[in-house]
Amino acid sequence: KNEVEQSPQNLTAQEGEFITINCSYSVGISALHWLQQHPGGGIVSLFMLSSGKKKHGRLIATINIQEKHSSLHITASHPRDSAVYICAARGAYARQLTFGSGTQLTVLP
Amino acid sequence: EAGVAQSPRYKIIEKRQSVAFWCNPISGHATLYWYQQILGQGPKLLIQFQNNGVVDDSQLPKDRFSAERLKGVDSTLKIQPAKLEDSAVYLCASSSSSQGYEQYFGPGTRLTVT
Repeated sequence: KNEVEQSPQNLTAQEGEFITINCSYSVGISALHWLQQHPGGGIVSLFMLSSGKKKHGRLIATINIQEKHSSLHITASHPRDSAVYICAARGAYARQLTFGSGTQLTVLP
Repeated sequence: EAGVAQSPRYKIIEKRQSVAFWCNPISGHATLYWYQQILGQGPKLLIQFQNNGVVDDSQLPKDRFSAERLKGVDSTLKIQPAKLEDSAVYLCASSSSSQGYEQYFGPGTRLTVT
């Protein structure tokens, strides 16, 4: 069974700061997802990656398969980035996701 | 492309009452998931359907929870009777092999049991 851990649990930043959220998992995976959840519950997929690095706007996701670790970076953070960010690992042979407990990010103006 | 639809968005019930949630996945998505997300935690898989068959319901509390996807499209999740600890957001997601099994989530239903 895969264990997915995120850090930090809570993060408060000033507008414009560079933000990093970390995710580690315990067993091999086929893909790692980064998700964003705003108040109200809906979840939006930000990235799905199995190697290397992906970039979308101010968001960057990286994964190190050997170290079983992924990071989500936000450059030039903005108050509208305030949300819960969740990483989820998809098993090597299954379509199911194992979720981390999420990082509550608050960006202050 | 329309996303995953869920209703209702919010529901407040008293303990021991019954409640049902509805999900309409993205058209053509064969796999449908129901998750329970308790405040401060990540989502927990309750049940996974492939078309109208159950793939995994190992974490579904079957004494009170039931789910069906009779025609392989829409799905309903029912709780009967509800307990206080069932208060959570219930998320529906769907995926397709043609899209690499990336899961697309609905807006969720926030259930409060009083």
